Amino acid sequence: EDQVTQSPEALRLQEGESSSLNCSYTVSGLRGLFWYRQDPGKGPEFLFTLYSAGEEKEKERLKATLTKKESFLHITAPKPEDSATYLCAVLLFSGGYNKLIFGAGTRLAVHP
Amino acid sequence: GAGVSQSPSNKVTEKGKDVELRCDPISGHTALYWYRQSLGQGLEFLIYFQGNSAPDKSGLPSDRFSAERTGGSVSTLTIQRTQQEDSAVYLCASSLSLAGVTPYNEQFFGPGTRLTVL
Repeated sequence: EDQVTQSPEALRLQEGESSSLNCSYTVSGLRGLFWYRQDPGKGPEFLFTLYSAGEEKEKERLKATLTKKESFLHITAPKPEDSATYLCAVLLFSGGYNKLIFGAGTRLAVHP
Repeated sequence: GAGVSQSPSNKVTEKGKDVELRCDPISGHTALYWYRQSLGQGLEFLIYFQGNSAPDKSGLPSDRFSAERTGGSVSTLTIQRTQQEDSAVYLCASSLSLAGVTPYNEQFFGPGTRLTVL
């Protein structure tokens, strides 16, 4: 069964305290991995797409990396405005179309 | 419009009533997706539209759930005889290309409809 697991479920950081979020997956036929940010009361907002092991993408204080079994979202010197739920999703080709399977997310709180 | 819109933003209903949730995708987006997000859970795929047809309905939780899309644009998700376990946020997303085409185009999400069944 295709599964996506995110850890930790919740993370509390002090402003400036760097850390990493993990997304591990057991799927067949991975086509890509996506990271989204979700603020309370809003829909997910796209951050990154990673397509192959070894690939890295950066955006401001965020860097996403991908291996054959997991992805990390590294947050460098976070600020309170980085507080949100971060979702990862794997892209599979199933039944003739691309399908996203989401993890449950990591709730990040950054305190001043 | 600038983004995906959904209505209503909040819906409170009584158990056993029917509800309709609406999604207006980004103009020109051919693929449309419905997801359900329960408290503390990830997004659960419900149904996908390619144009007006729905090749994959496997994610619909029961036959009380149905969806349609007309004119390749607006979609409606209908839940009949609502139950308390249907309470969740229902999210709609759209993407530019047909979902079976690579490279994959990102999905743009609406703000969701929060459904509460009393």
